Amino acid sequence: AQSVTQPDIHITVSEGASLELRCNYSYGATPYLFWYVQSPGQGLQLLLKYFSGDTLVQGIKGFEAEFKRSQSSFNLRKPSVHWSDAAEYFCAVGGAMEYGNKLVFGAGTILRVKS
Amino acid sequence: EAQVTQNPRYLITVTGKKLTVTCSQNMNHEYMSWYRQDPGLGLRQIYYSMNVEVTDKGDVPEGYKVSRKEKRNFPLILESPSPNQTSLYFCASSSMRAGWETQYFGPGTRLLVL
Repeated sequence: AQSVTQPDIHITVSEGASLELRCNYSYGATPYLFWYVQSPGQGLQLLLKYFSGDTLVQGIKGFEAEFKRSQSSFNLRKPSVHWSDAAEYFCAVGGAMEYGNKLVFGAGTILRVKS
Repeated sequence: EAQVTQNPRYLITVTGKKLTVTCSQNMNHEYMSWYRQDPGLGLRQIYYSMNVEVTDKGDVPEGYKVSRKEKRNFPLILESPSPNQTSLYFCASSSMRAGWETQYFGPGTRLLVL
């Protein structure tokens, strides 16, 4: 069955510092991978997605993620964090119809940005 | 503006009192889905629908019902709510042609069952 692990519940970084949020997945085939962001009191916004091709994908707001099949990982990165990036981030995996046409989400990582 | 709307946004109810949370999208999407979000658990899928009159269970369907009589609407029904259904609920939609996996989320409905 599909599963997603986000090992870090909370991460605190200083404004201007680099950021990496970890995501590991378990999936029997080539996965479709996503990162979503949820600002306080808001819905989820898609940051980026990976379906195939180049393993380094660019998203909105200056985020990027790298798919590493050998490590079953899809880590999210940003070179310089802004205070407005403080939010909760969710990694998700989805895929073929035999898995039920559903997205499976990780538990989320809460990012705090200190000035 | 392309959007997914949910109503109500906030709801307090009592155990056993039937309620419906509405979800509507204006993007002509075939795929619609309901999730619940609980701290430390992320989002878990309740039900989904791949088109009108086609619905299927997600990971946590117990205690919920859905219907898809029109393409734009996908209401979530709690026939007899219980306190363990206190949660934040999200509706999402996507285009099967563009890829059902790229889902657009509504703003959420926060439900408290006393």
